[in-house]
Amino acid sequence: AQRVTQPEKLLSVFKGAPVELKCNYSYSGSPELFWYVQYSRQRLQLLLRHISRESIKGFTADLNKGETSFHLKKPFAQEEDSAMYYCALNTNAGKSTFGDGTTLTVKP
Amino acid sequence: GAGVSQSPRYKVAKRGQDVALRCDPISGHVSLFWYQQALGQGPEFLTYFQNEAQLDKSGLPSDRFFAERPEGSVSTLKIQRTQQEDSAVYLCASSPDLTGLGTDTQYFGPGTRLTVL
Repeated sequence: AQRVTQPEKLLSVFKGAPVELKCNYSYSGSPELFWYVQYSRQRLQLLLRHISRESIKGFTADLNKGETSFHLKKPFAQEEDSAMYYCALNTNAGKSTFGDGTTLTVKP
Repeated sequence: GAGVSQSPRYKVAKRGQDVALRCDPISGHVSLFWYQQALGQGPEFLTYFQNEAQLDKSGLPSDRFFAERPEGSVSTLKIQRTQQEDSAVYLCASSPDLTGLGTDTQYFGPGTRLTVL
């Protein structure tokens, strides 16, 4: 069975500090991994996906198959990054598994 | 263009009542997903459609839950004889599914918050 674990429920950093949101997964096949973000009073939206290997809003995430991790990183956090972040795993059968999310607060 | 829309946005039901939740996906999107999100948790997969075909309904928690997408566009999630444990936000997402594998980016609706008293 597939599973996504986000070990930190809450994460608080100061503006300008580096931030890392952890995500670990378990899945026997080739995973497709995503990070979704939900800003206050907005809907869930895609932040980035591992196959595109791009940086969005300064965030990057590298898939580490050896450690089964897909941690989200940003070198200098901004106040507007405060939001709920979800890591998600898709299989090739359409089923998506989400972690329980990490609430990031960036303090001024 | 318009995103995914869901109606109603809020629904209060008495225990035992039937409810129907509607999802209007982005026009032309092949795949449609339903999720249940309990307070403090991530979205939990319920079911997945590719056009009108329901390819996976393994996440539906009981036979009181039923989803349909008869013309491959609008979808309805129906919950019969609602129970208090059905209280949650129900999210709908659609995807263009360019790969044909159901792994494309999903675009989410605002959700329907269901409260069962």
